[in-house]
Amino acid sequence: NAGVTQTPKFRVLKTGQSMTLLCAQDMNHEYMYWYRQDPGMGLRLIHYSVGEGTTAKGEVPDGYNVSRLKKQNFLLGLESAAPSQTSVYFCASSYSRGNIQYFGAGTRLSVL
Amino acid sequence: GESVGLHLPTLSVQEGDNSIINCAYSNSASDYFIWYKQESGKGPQFIIDIRSNMDKRQGQRVTVLLNKTVKHLSLQIAATQPGDSAVYFCAEIPPGTYKYIFGTGTRLKVLA
Repeated sequence: NAGVTQTPKFRVLKTGQSMTLLCAQDMNHEYMYWYRQDPGMGLRLIHYSVGEGTTAKGEVPDGYNVSRLKKQNFLLGLESAAPSQTSVYFCASSYSRGNIQYFGAGTRLSVL
Repeated sequence: GESVGLHLPTLSVQEGDNSIINCAYSNSASDYFIWYKQESGKGPQFIIDIRSNMDKRQGQRVTVLLNKTVKHLSLQIAATQPGDSAVYFCAEIPPGTYKYIFGTGTRLKVLA
């Protein structure tokens, strides 16, 4: 009964370093999303995918890349981390449009 | 530590009272709405959803009301308990898009 699993849970990076956040879902959902959450702001969409092999830009895509090589996994990459990318990152998945989005527990990222 | 909701509106209620949390949504044509609960340090958790062809939907201790005339959504929690203390936010999905739009949220504090 895992649902949506994110790894890692915490990470500290230096400016310019790269990293990949992994999201895995076991609900056979077609749609997957990456969000960032900052104090006083709602969840902002970074990138999303409506199926294996497809990705699309969201509201704040700059500085991030994604891949959806397998239906159950959605990877978020930071090629050259910046302090402005310090945030809490959430992955979510849903069966289709207009259905419940289920969220992971989040990844807390600090970029120094 | 807590990084979400530093400047959110706060609703304080006595334990056992009913709570009403409000949300103004942005798109009059949005056809699906969700309420989420987010506890400190955790991911958003689904509470209840409603489609635009309905005005009211009830769950266990929760009721969602949709007023399309004024683009307003409300979440009613009956007999509020200490475990209900969290940030609550709504989400909408406009037509023709896969993207959910999230509100910034309201903090609910339950007083013993």
